[in-house]
Amino acid sequence: QVTLKESGPVLVRPTETLTLTCTVSGFSLTNAKMGVGWIRQPPGKALEWLANIFSNDEKSYSTSLKSRLTISKDTPRSQVVLTMTNMDPVDTATYYCARIVCSAIGCYLHWFDPWGQGTLVTVSS
Amino acid sequence: DIQMTQSPSSLSASVGDRVTITCRASQSISNYLNWYQQKPGHAPKLLIYAASSLQSGVPSRFSGSASGTDFTLTISSLQPEDFATFYCQQSYSVPYTFGQGTNLAIK
Repeated sequence: QVTLKESGPVLVRPTETLTLTCTVSGFSLTNAKMGVGWIRQPPGKALEWLANIFSNDEKSYSTSLKSRLTISKDTPRSQVVLTMTNMDPVDTATYYCARIVCSAIGCYLHWFDPWGQGTLVTVSS
Repeated sequence: DIQMTQSPSSLSASVGDRVTITCRASQSISNYLNWYQQKPGHAPKLLIYAASSLQSGVPSRFSGSASGTDFTLTISSLQPEDFATFYCQQSYSVPYTFGQGTNLAIK
């Protein structure tokens, strides 16, 4: 059974750096047909993709947030870490990690399945 | 960035109805389009990948299709557990954008 679980602070002060950890089980971060992505959702709003990382350590980031985001993985610990600098109240959201599944033709065609339960992060002084 | 525009933003329907939700991409994305269902307080769940492939375990009343830059999610006969918010998402190019969501409510 594939599971992902997000962990990190529930409250962050403005200007601080957020560090979130996604711990995965049921698949390996070395699997060439898989990866992990981060997606967030402000309360009552739509989903917003943040970042992806693949087994070969290829990374991609949201265009608008690229300067603030860093994604990395710790394969032996089955963890993927997302850091976001200079947090602001508008970054208040539920942050999800999800397994990336690549198609048979390659990872340029991929989808998110399954998702973690999400963790609500509030940015407030 | 590729913009994904869903329509309608919300709709009301009854159990047994046939429902169609559309997602339009601002440029060609081939079949790099996925659909997710999200119920209140829960994480999204994959329904359809690569525009028309049904995810394992998803009921066959869900289907997806594509025509150019227009993509459609169809529920052939609504069941009580189908009421939720639906999102499309493109995986053609970075950033991998989502639509704004379609809220499907009970009439």
